[in-house]
Formats: sequence, C-alpha cells, structure tokens
Amino acid sequence: AQTVTQSQPEMSVQEAETVTLSCTYDTSESDYYLFWYKQPPSRQMILVIRQEAYKQQNATENRFSVNFQKAAKSFSLKISDSQLGDAAMYFCAPFSNAGNMLTFGGGTRLMVKP
Amino acid sequence: EAQVTQNPRYLITVTGKKLTVTCSQNMNHEYMSWYRQDPGLGLRQIYYSMNVEVTDKGDVPEGYKVSRKEKRNFPLILESPSPNQTSLYFCASSLSMGVHYGYTFGSGTRLTVV
Repeated sequence: AQTVTQSQPEMSVQEAETVTLSCTYDTSESDYYLFWYKQPPSRQMILVIRQEAYKQQNATENRFSVNFQKAAKSFSLKISDSQLGDAAMYFCAPFSNAGNMLTFGGGTRLMVKP
Repeated sequence: EAQVTQNPRYLITVTGKKLTVTCSQNMNHEYMSWYRQDPGLGLRQIYYSMNVEVTDKGDVPEGYKVSRKEKRNFPLILESPSPNQTSLYFCASSLSMGVHYGYTFGSGTRLTVV
C-alpha cells in the first residue's frame, strides 16, 4: 500500500504571495498518477492539478504548479499570487494502478491573510 | 450537469440502527468508490467497484457493506453503526482505470453515531 506524508498540518500566506505545500509518498510502482485536491469549507473535493509520473515536465494550471521529483518521491504544490479563495485544506493523492485507488495524505490547511 | 449525488448530507443515528447512504452518478462512470475522512488521517478508502456486480475492499472495510446492481448507483450500508463510524463520507466516481483523470466527488455525508 502507498503511504503519503504531508508534513505541514497548517500553513499561512499573505494575499498575493507565493506558497509551497509539500508532499512525499512511497510507492513501488513506476507508472502512476499524482493529484492535488482542494477542500474549501463547503467540504467539496475539488481537483486542482494532475501529474503523470512518466512525464518529466511539471504540470501547471494557471496559478498552480507542481515540483515533481520522481526519484525523491516528492510532489509539492506551488500557489502563486495567492487569493482569499485559496484558503482550504489541500490533499496530496497518488493513484495506484495496482491498488485501484487514490491514497490521500493527512492534508495541509492553508490560511490566506488579507 | 455531470455530478455525483450523495444523500443525506447530514445524518445523526443511534448505535445499531441500520442505515444506508445513497450515491448516484450521471456520467456513465464504471468506477465508483467510498471514502471516509477523519481529522489528520485524510481520506481512506472503504470499498470500490470497477463495474456492475464487481466490488472489492479498500483499506477500512470493516463494518460496511456496498452493492453495485446498477452502473449509476453505489450505496453504502452500515448494518450496525457504532460511534467509531462517526465521520465524513465521500462517494467518488471515475470514467475508467488506466489513463486516470482523477475522481469526481460527491458533496459528502456527515454521519454522527451516538
């Protein structure tokens, strides 16, 4: 089974600044996918960004980008120009083809200060 | 609108009283799954289904049952709920295995067992 570690239970960032959320995981697979999900106070799970492990290029979605280090099994999320609406819980989640499941980290609560 | 619909959104029940949480998706997805979310633990998979009449255990299946008689529906059944099943539950679906684009989640069911 995969394990996922998000070492920062809480983080805060000033509005318009940049913040990076860290994630490390453990897997024996060579081909897999990685996701970041956002959970605002409404508790809806929202897909933020997706990375395919066989692609070396880091994924980018508008203000969100990742730093994927496959050898180190690290998958951090960078949020640029932070906005008040970015305040939420963020979950890192690798997908295991072998296990047919997303495995979630414990989450990082991001607070955005005006 | 493409969505996963869970009901009820909130539920308070007593120990031992059987309950069912319904989940329905309108996207013709083959894959459906149930997760529970607990503070500090992220989301953990309870059961999943790869297609009609095909279900399998996730990481925390004890005390739960599921069925997949129709492609669109995947109810979660608690035959004899206990207080340690107090949690936030999410149903999720996905188009297929293989090239994975992430799950679509329902809006969650907050269950309290007293």
